[in-house]
Amino acid sequence: DVKVTQSSRYLVKRTGEKVFLECVQDMDHENMFWYRQDPGLGLRLIYFSYDVKMKEKGDIPEGYSVSREKKERFSLILESASTNQTSMYLCASLSWGYNEQFFGPGTRLTVL
Amino acid sequence: QKEVEQDPGPLSVPEGAIVSLNCTYSNSAFQYFMWYRQYSRKGPELLMYTYSSGNKEDGRFTAQVDKSSKYISLFIRDSQPSDSATYLCAMDDAGGTSYGKLTFGQGTILTVHP
Repeated sequence: DVKVTQSSRYLVKRTGEKVFLECVQDMDHENMFWYRQDPGLGLRLIYFSYDVKMKEKGDIPEGYSVSREKKERFSLILESASTNQTSMYLCASLSWGYNEQFFGPGTRLTVL
Repeated sequence: QKEVEQDPGPLSVPEGAIVSLNCTYSNSAFQYFMWYRQYSRKGPELLMYTYSSGNKEDGRFTAQVDKSSKYISLFIRDSQPSDSATYLCAMDDAGGTSYGKLTFGQGTILTVHP
């Protein structure tokens, strides 16, 4: 059974804190993605990675960075959390040559 | 203008109704069209996937793509309370550097009441 796991389901942080969101997949997928999901806006791509140590900006990368040191793990970093980064964060992975992205359960982040 | 526009709903229907969910798009390079279903407090899961224009049926679900009108639809027949979820359309241009990136619609919240 394919699996994408995210380190936390719920997270509450203070403005200015550095926040790490972790994503792990066990499917040996090459590509991994970070999205945020907000009501009325759907899923918006923050960053993606197509190989270890490779990363590309998505549509809304400002205020975020990512790290992919191992194939199975993709981390999203909020350098200095702000209240407008309160959102649901979803990680996904995909295998080359296929079109189905597999999603994790999401992390609901609240920044106070 | 967003690349993909989806009727936001929310949609509330009685059990047994036929449901129609729709998306329009502006990027003529989109080749792959998908519908994801997302239950509350879960990540999205792929429900239907079609390539180019035409219809695809899977049980009570039918996905329809009209590339000439840049319009896709998902029909649910004999809707059930278990179909209550958020439905997201998604598209991929399948270009060499797309890396499987998808462009999503805003999502439609569907509630099917008994």
